[in-house]
Amino acid sequence: EAQVTQNPRYLITVTGKKLTVTCSQNMNHEYMSWYRQDPGLGLRQIYYSMNVEVTDKGDVPEGYKVSRKEKRNFPLILESPSPNQTSLYFCASSLSGGQGSGYTFGSGTRLTVV
Amino acid sequence: DQQVKQNSPSLSVQEGRISILNCDYTNSMFDYFLWYKKYPAEGPTFLISISSIKDKNEDGRFTVFLNKSAKHLSLHIVPSQPGDSAVYFCAASRGTGNQFYFGTGTSLTVIP
Repeated sequence: EAQVTQNPRYLITVTGKKLTVTCSQNMNHEYMSWYRQDPGLGLRQIYYSMNVEVTDKGDVPEGYKVSRKEKRNFPLILESPSPNQTSLYFCASSLSGGQGSGYTFGSGTRLTVV
Repeated sequence: DQQVKQNSPSLSVQEGRISILNCDYTNSMFDYFLWYKKYPAEGPTFLISISSIKDKNEDGRFTVFLNKSAKHLSLHIVPSQPGDSAVYFCAASRGTGNQFYFGTGTSLTVIP
């Protein structure tokens, strides 16, 4: 089944403890992206990648890192999480950069930083 | 600063009637627009898109209209069905693969 898989689905962590949210897609998509969803703010793009080793900042990149060493994987790294990073995170991938059939989203990771 | 705005947080429509969801944008350089649908506990699902060279795109019960001069797009669902009840997001971008900007979403409830 064609899908974007994020892990974990739920995570509670403490301030300052480094964490990684993994994202993997099995559709051989070139483009991948991370978003966070917050009440009243909709979905905001954190980072996006147009190909292996090519990444760029989105709207809200502060406090996050990404890497794209392989086409299928696009992990999101929080080096020193803070409570304002408590949010619902979505990973997405696309064959054509959003044109045509848009992005395919994962099911989300709900992160709580205490 | 929100470049894509959905000013109606919620909308209720009777089953069988038309649902119209609206979206406004501020950046005249946006040339590609998408609508996504989101159910609780799931990721958004792509619904329909339109490029700036068109003013209308249709896919079954869903039609998106683009008014570039007004920087406004709308999604029409006809006829509305209870299964359409979800949060709808519009999104805009400039070019392929570039940064996408999402609106804050409109929660649609279709009443049986």
